[in-house]
Amino acid sequence: DVKVTQSSRYLVKRTGEKVFLECVQDMDHENMFWYRQDPGLGLRLIYFSYDVKMKEKGDIPEGYSVSREKKERFSLILESASTNQTSMYLCASSPQFAMPGANVLTFGAGSRLTVL
Amino acid sequence: GENVEQHPSTLSVQEGDSAVIKCTYSDSASNYFPWYKQELGKRPQLIIDIRSNVGEKKDQRIAVTLNKTAKHFSLHITETQPEDSAVYFCAASIQKLVFGQGTRLTINP
Repeated sequence: DVKVTQSSRYLVKRTGEKVFLECVQDMDHENMFWYRQDPGLGLRLIYFSYDVKMKEKGDIPEGYSVSREKKERFSLILESASTNQTSMYLCASSPQFAMPGANVLTFGAGSRLTVL
Repeated sequence: GENVEQHPSTLSVQEGDSAVIKCTYSDSASNYFPWYKQELGKRPQLIIDIRSNVGEKKDQRIAVTLNKTAKHFSLHITETQPEDSAVYFCAASIQKLVFGQGTRLTINP
């Protein structure tokens, strides 16, 4: 019963390519998040969205953009991939802020991106 | 913004012994402190959390303590088992979560 699905588990791209990472959740959650996971750096927030068409920058938004056209789907876009964006990308969702369980994140399985 | 520091980065204990992982946070307004466990090749999953109006919470072999004055909180795992081997992340939040750097815990048989 997978609840947060990331479309690609592994991707290999070349420097300068445009990259789309897709995330879909089926829990009717308002909040969706994109994190980047690197060894020794933990999980760092790239962008998050608390409603359709709404987005907020996280701690490391440079080089990334996002799109949320539908409640269940949150896309991470790398306009021009660079080697320092080689990483594991994790999508997560949670209920609306101020609701019970609002802070509890449900993560996707991750997308490992390699930029050559 | 909030900053969370987590120590140690790696921890190795004998099966049956206890393990303690510590985190400090910077924003005194943070009011929610979860711990996530990530087994090898799997997604992070919440194992225990605590809110700022509580000093300690226990769930079987795991417990979390919170010291609001000192702005630190800790995860305690007793009677460790091989399946406890994983990377553990602490986090702090008012709304969005800020994670620590992670601790790789290895349980030696």
